[in-house]
Amino acid sequence: DTEVTQTPKHLVMGMTNKKSLKCEQHMGHRAMYWYKQKAKKPPELMFVYSYEKLSINESVPSRFSPECPNSSLLNLHLHALQPEDSALYLCASSQMDKSSGANVLTFGAGSRLTVL
Amino acid sequence: LAKTTQPISMDSYEGQEVNITCSHNNIATNDYITWYQQFPSQGPRFIIQGYKTKVTNEVASLFIPADRKSSTLSLPRVSLSDTAVYYCLVGRGYGGATNKLIFGTGTLLAVQP
Repeated sequence: DTEVTQTPKHLVMGMTNKKSLKCEQHMGHRAMYWYKQKAKKPPELMFVYSYEKLSINESVPSRFSPECPNSSLLNLHLHALQPEDSALYLCASSQMDKSSGANVLTFGAGSRLTVL
Repeated sequence: LAKTTQPISMDSYEGQEVNITCSHNNIATNDYITWYQQFPSQGPRFIIQGYKTKVTNEVASLFIPADRKSSTLSLPRVSLSDTAVYYCLVGRGYGGATNKLIFGTGTLLAVQP
């Protein structure tokens, strides 16, 4: 299995809702990432987990709450979002093998979020 | 963190070779250069990675000069399906705080028939 699977593909939520985005990989990768991408912009790094521990938080508002329950799963919990949070949310994973050079990101297809 | 600079857009015709250059003046000694391709509403896809000189795979070549302050992605004989945004990233990406993988602005390649 060489894929990163993201669910749901599309999500519409109100500003008072609580929802979650899910990401799963079975490649044995030990680093997992959340990126946010607005239309016609590059992906922006949000969070990085290394060996199931949060290693990078790019000053993301607390209405976004990441969780890494195990080495294969990554969640992004959403609460009290704003319309400007509407975007494509991309999950990625990579190995942590320092002996083989730089790690390559494998991305999922993304979850398209619309906040009303 | 090594910042990257690329042309915003490029145009080409089917069958031509396309070269996209990326500047990364403050690349660190241990950093690698990786290129990704992204189609609309999809996640970026790995194309090629290198550290120095030239790397070639089945879809592209990557040229890196000795000073490593820039790199050039070469796509041979492009087709309409190569129309996409191309990003170069610099870093090692092990997930630690010193190894962030940050996307630059990217280059939108438009291939015409």
